[in-house]
Amino acid sequence: AQKITQTQPGMFVQEKEAVTLDCTYDTSDPSYGLFWYKQPSSGEMIFLIYQGSYDQQNATEGRYSLNFQKARKSANLVISASQLGDSAMYFCAMREGDAGGTSYGKLTFGQGTILTVHP
Amino acid sequence: DGGITQSPKYLFRKEGQNVTLSCEQNLNHDAMYWYRQDPGQGLRLIYYSQIVNDFQKGDIAEGYSVSREKKESFPLTVTSAQKNPTAFYLCASSIMARTGELFFGEGSRLTVL
Repeated sequence: AQKITQTQPGMFVQEKEAVTLDCTYDTSDPSYGLFWYKQPSSGEMIFLIYQGSYDQQNATEGRYSLNFQKARKSANLVISASQLGDSAMYFCAMREGDAGGTSYGKLTFGQGTILTVHP
Repeated sequence: DGGITQSPKYLFRKEGQNVTLSCEQNLNHDAMYWYRQDPGQGLRLIYYSQIVNDFQKGDIAEGYSVSREKKESFPLTVTSAQKNPTAFYLCASSIMARTGELFFGEGSRLTVL
């Protein structure tokens, strides 16, 4: 079974609009962390935002926010005020066994969503 | 500037040849990782290492080998036993921290002819 599911292969958004990229996850571990990464056409992976399973509030980092719905096992990324430079592939990932966030850990990635921002 | 350096960026090899991809980091991170990415796919973990002279298999370790003789270096060898080696390979590192996010290199694209 897929541990991370990103159901949107591609998304389009108008510049300056907000966009939501979907991510659902599957784990029986009570301690886990959720990540979003951006991969531009250059190939490098850029960390955007992190949410711990015990965090009470949704994570925010500048124009990025994570809509964390624990009961639904979803961790959608919201990008506000889209810019042309936001066009890229976006990956959701999970680290299990987070134990409060003091762990190393391998990440499991979803298949990604290609975001295209139109001027 | 601190970061992760992968080399070469592009590599072409004939079928049956072993190839070694270099990964060096100057971030003083303990843990290092190798991921493989196929076109239109997510990343899959090949090997990871949390400490010098120790490493563990990831989800798709067959046909690959690694070493961790120095904290800064984590080379990956793609052996002739790897059935479909053409892919984009990403090296990463991390520290033990609340987020512990992975920091990635720019990747190495291997094409086997």
